[in-house]
Amino acid sequence: AQTVTQSQPEMSVQEAETVTLSCTYDTSESDYYLFWYKQPPSRQMILVIRQEAYKQQNATENRFSVNFQKAAKSFSLKISDSQLGDAAMYFCAYRSAINSNSGYALNFGKGTSLLVTP
Amino acid sequence: GAVVSQHPSWVICKSGTSVKIECRSLDFQATTMFWYRQFPKQSLMLMATSNEGSKATYEQGVEKDKFLINHASLTLSTLTVTSAHPEDSSFYICSARDLRTAQETQYFGPGTRLLVL
Repeated sequence: AQTVTQSQPEMSVQEAETVTLSCTYDTSESDYYLFWYKQPPSRQMILVIRQEAYKQQNATENRFSVNFQKAAKSFSLKISDSQLGDAAMYFCAYRSAINSNSGYALNFGKGTSLLVTP
Repeated sequence: GAVVSQHPSWVICKSGTSVKIECRSLDFQATTMFWYRQFPKQSLMLMATSNEGSKATYEQGVEKDKFLINHASLTLSTLTVTSAHPEDSSFYICSARDLRTAQETQYFGPGTRLLVL
């Protein structure tokens, strides 16, 4: 089974600064998808960004970008110009491209709690 | 983006009763939905994969007789916690696969807080 590791339980960033959240994963598959989800206090899961493993180009979504290192099995999230509304739990997730018994379910890391200070 | 709803958003019940949670895809059809469980300050753990028109696939350690899943239509999956006990108290989240675009995406419901007294 694939494992997703987020080694930073908590991170803090000042407003307008940049922060990077780490994520590593373990898989023997060559084709897969990686995601970052945000879970604010409301607990609604919100997709932040996704990356297809076959794409070498790093995904970007406005202030959010990833550093995808396939050989190193690393998938970090960079948040630029941090805003107070970015404060939340951030989960890294892996999804196989192969339909297994679990279908295409997401496999989540343990999460990183991001605090944004004024 | 697509919208997934869950009902109820929270429920309190007595030990021994059964609770049904609904997950609906509001503006798309979902042949596959997923049920996750999240304890406070922990990650989401997959409980089962719900497939329209067929039996659900449960993850190891999840009791299928306790957590009954029915996916009777392309827009609705239900999770019934039977004979609920305090240890079943948790946050239950569903997600649904939206296959309308090449960039297939899973959308999450807002979750259901279950408290068993």
